Amino acid sequence: GAGVSQSPSNKVTEKGKDVELRCDPISGHTALYWYRQSLGQGLEFLIYFQGNSAPDKSGLPSDRFSAERTGGSVSTLTIQRTQQEDSAVYLCASSPQGAGEKLFFGSGTQLSVL
Amino acid sequence: AQSVTQPDIHITVSEGASLELRCNYSYGATPYLFWYVQSPGQGLQLLLKYFSGDTLVQGIKGFEAEFKRSQSSFNLRKPSVHWSDAAEYFCALGGLSGGSYIPTFGRGTSLIVHP
Repeated sequence: GAGVSQSPSNKVTEKGKDVELRCDPISGHTALYWYRQSLGQGLEFLIYFQGNSAPDKSGLPSDRFSAERTGGSVSTLTIQRTQQEDSAVYLCASSPQGAGEKLFFGSGTQLSVL
Repeated sequence: AQSVTQPDIHITVSEGASLELRCNYSYGATPYLFWYVQSPGQGLQLLLKYFSGDTLVQGIKGFEAEFKRSQSSFNLRKPSVHWSDAAEYFCALGGLSGGSYIPTFGRGTSLIVHP
């Protein structure tokens, strides 16, 4: 596809369940980011992948959050034992190489934890 | 540590009026600075970017921004706002954090346009 694709666009889950959010970056982009957008809170950095380097996980809020990137392309963000405070829009972005470049964002996954 | 402050949560303007959205940053060197726009239900789209050179940067949709090092500011401006400009605007700083290039975003300013 031409842009960053995220799925699902909406996810409703029950507290305590695990969820997986998927991101397909633009082909050839080596840098991939996950951000969380809560109402009135701006974008909160979660995790950063750059090529084959170890990911920068410094933004993950707890050990319930994890992410992987397979083959330098598709990425999955997993939230285990979801809590109500996890409800937010999860945004994925990619860029050709990273430093100094603009990010191309997907439309996000709206996660609602009941 | 790097940070971005957008002091205005909401801005309301009339269609045709001029607009200025404020952004202040904190970073130890010259940063990459960006403005993104987010329309409802959409991802963020880049309006413009600054790193070096001319401190007045032109972007898409008639927007411009001015980098002022002395004030650590990167305010976004538009001379005449259109109703379609109603959206959320994010200022972002691109800098190195612990060896990683991780853009830091402000909390956003919601622009409301009255007819």
